[in-house]
Amino acid sequence: DAKTTQPTSMDCAEGRAANLPCNHSTISGNEYVYWYRQIHSQGPQYIIHGLKNNETNEMASLIITEDRKSSTLILPHATLRDTAVYYCIVSRAGGTSYGKLTFGQGTILTVHP
Amino acid sequence: DARVTQTPRHKVTEMGQEVTMRCQPILGHNTVFWYRQTMMQGLELLAYFRNRAPLDDSGMPKDRFSAEMPDATLATLKIQPSEPRDSAVYFCASGLGQGYEKLFFGSGTQLSVL
Repeated sequence: DAKTTQPTSMDCAEGRAANLPCNHSTISGNEYVYWYRQIHSQGPQYIIHGLKNNETNEMASLIITEDRKSSTLILPHATLRDTAVYYCIVSRAGGTSYGKLTFGQGTILTVHP
Repeated sequence: DARVTQTPRHKVTEMGQEVTMRCQPILGHNTVFWYRQTMMQGLELLAYFRNRAPLDDSGMPKDRFSAEMPDATLATLKIQPSEPRDSAVYFCASGLGQGYEKLFFGSGTQLSVL
C-alpha cells in the first residue's frame, strides 16, 4: 500500500473549518483513501473514504486532487469534541489483502475554544 | 447502535501468565482485525480474518501469540506466555468486507504485564 505523509499537529478554532492535508504521491489506481480518527482512550473511528471523486458525509468532506497524489479532509465546523488524532490511510480495493489498513502516526488536531 | 464488544476492558497480569482477549464483532460482519497500540509503535496490525479464515497474521509474534475465530460471533487473541513488552492496548475491529473497509473498532483491552 502507498505511504502517506501528514503534518504532526494542527490547531483550529472552534466553529471554524479544519482542513487536514495528506500526501500520498505513490498511490495507485486501485487504492482508496481512508480517514479515521482516534479520540483519546477510544478505538479509531471511521470518518470517510474515497477513490477518485470528492466525497461528503455527515461528518466531513474529502477532497482528492485530480492526480490523486494528495487529499484534504475538511471538518466544516470544528468543535472541541473533534480534538483527536486523524489518520490518513491508503489501501487497495479488492484482492486478498483489501481492507488491511496500515495506520501511520497521524495528525494531532487540537480545537481551541 | 451495533458495536464491537471487547472483553476484558483492563487486564493486569504477571509475566509468564496466559492472557486471553475476546472480541464480539458486529453481527453480519465478515472481516475481523486485531490491532495493538503502544506509544512507541502506534497502531500495528496483528492479524485479520475473513469469513473466519485467517488471511494474514504476519504482524503477530508467532511463538507466543495466537488468534482464532471459533465461530462468527467470537474472535480471540491469546498470549502465552505473556511478557512485559506485550503491555499495550489491543483493539478488535470488524467490517462488512465490501471491497473497501469501513471498520468499526471496539473500545480495546488495556493489558499490563508486570
